[in-house]
Amino acid sequence: GQNIDQPTEMTATEGAIVQINCTYQTSGFNGLFWYQQHAGEAPTFLSYNVLDGLEEKGRFSSFLSRSKGYSYLLLKELQMKDSASYLCACSGAGSYQLTFGKGTKLSVIP
Amino acid sequence: DSGVTQTPKHLITATGQRVTLRCSPRSGDLSVYWYQQSLDQGLQFLIHYYNGEERAKGNILERFSAQQFPDLHSELNLSSLELGDSALYFCASSGQGLAGGNEQFFGPGTRLTVL
Repeated sequence: GQNIDQPTEMTATEGAIVQINCTYQTSGFNGLFWYQQHAGEAPTFLSYNVLDGLEEKGRFSSFLSRSKGYSYLLLKELQMKDSASYLCACSGAGSYQLTFGKGTKLSVIP
Repeated sequence: DSGVTQTPKHLITATGQRVTLRCSPRSGDLSVYWYQQSLDQGLQFLIHYYNGEERAKGNILERFSAQQFPDLHSELNLSSLELGDSALYFCASSGQGLAGGNEQFFGPGTRLTVL
């Protein structure tokens, strides 16, 4: 099975940087995804990490350490529209479905 | 717009009833996944189909079933509905390969309310 932990809620200020952490324990692991989900809407893909290290994509970056079972999503230059839930998800070795954490609700304040 | 479509957008029904949710994947995607999202449980994987064949099952109740048709659209059937089945049901699709790591594209979801 897989167990994924991430903080329930975070608050950050517009223009600032925020880091959302995710730890996972899995019986098999292939890679880690981050999705953004606005309330009542579909999750949208942000990033995918399969190798250790940092992947940068514009204002968003994602980091993975396979040996530590740890990932983070870094959001820079926060905007009000970044207020959303951020879901960490693992894909298992040999399987293609995703196991999601419960999500971190980020509130960006002026 | 992800390219994945789901109908209906909203569904209100009574306990004990049966409903069918429909999903059309992105053009060219062979994999379809179904997820249930409730407030306390987060996004839970239900079932995965690839090119018409069931590939994996997650936390799917026996009252629920799904299938993928030759045109690759999929249906999720929920029967003997209970109040606790009220949730958002998402369909997602991914690319042609079965290699792990294909990002999944989510449809807009069907909000099911069981009264």
